[in-house]
Amino acid sequence: GAVVSQHPSWVICKSGTSVKIECRSLDFQATTMFWYRQFPKQSLMLMATSNEGSKATYEQGVEKDKFLINHASLTLSTLTVTSAHPEDSSFYICSARGIRLNYGYTFGSGTRLTVV
Amino acid sequence: DQQVKQNSPSLSVQEGRISILNCDYTNSMFDYFLWYKKYPAEGPTFLISISSIKDKNEDGRFTVFLNKSAKHLSLHIVPSQPGDSAVYFCAASPNTDKLIFGTGTRLQVFP
Repeated sequence: GAVVSQHPSWVICKSGTSVKIECRSLDFQATTMFWYRQFPKQSLMLMATSNEGSKATYEQGVEKDKFLINHASLTLSTLTVTSAHPEDSSFYICSARGIRLNYGYTFGSGTRLTVV
Repeated sequence: DQQVKQNSPSLSVQEGRISILNCDYTNSMFDYFLWYKKYPAEGPTFLISISSIKDKNEDGRFTVFLNKSAKHLSLHIVPSQPGDSAVYFCAASPNTDKLIFGTGTRLQVFP
């Protein structure tokens, strides 16, 4: 079946630094990738949608200059949290959808980001 | 504006009995609905889905019902097992686009 690998699974960084999270589709080509964040005991909130080779579409209220998304190939998308602050601490999850539009949204295992 | 809502934050069910998880939505453009199971610090795992042209879809112990007029869907798990204990999210998609998640329901199945 479709597998999405997300790394790192957890990361601790200092305020002001940047953190990059990778999302890879291992056995299929992902034309579209989605990035979500989840606060404790809350829903998964969609941050942005990225299509391979084009700029990401950000949801309302998400700072595109802070959360940089790159989808340079059909198997890799990255989310970079720039100048991280403690309020950016959250659980970030990516999801990939393949060329065959069978409603297969495959999720990564998530990344726990803690900014200190 | 929460377009997909799960009004019950938690549910406790005895093993062997039926678990019913409910979900309501407001956007009539949603045409596909999915249920996911999620453990802490892990990504969601797909369970079952239903298209807006159907009112029921069944897969093993899991059945999803869709009532479009009421903008309501439910997930039935029968018989419930302790391994089903997790947080369940419903999600909706407009025109094969992005997924909008509900707020989640924590299911606990006790022996």
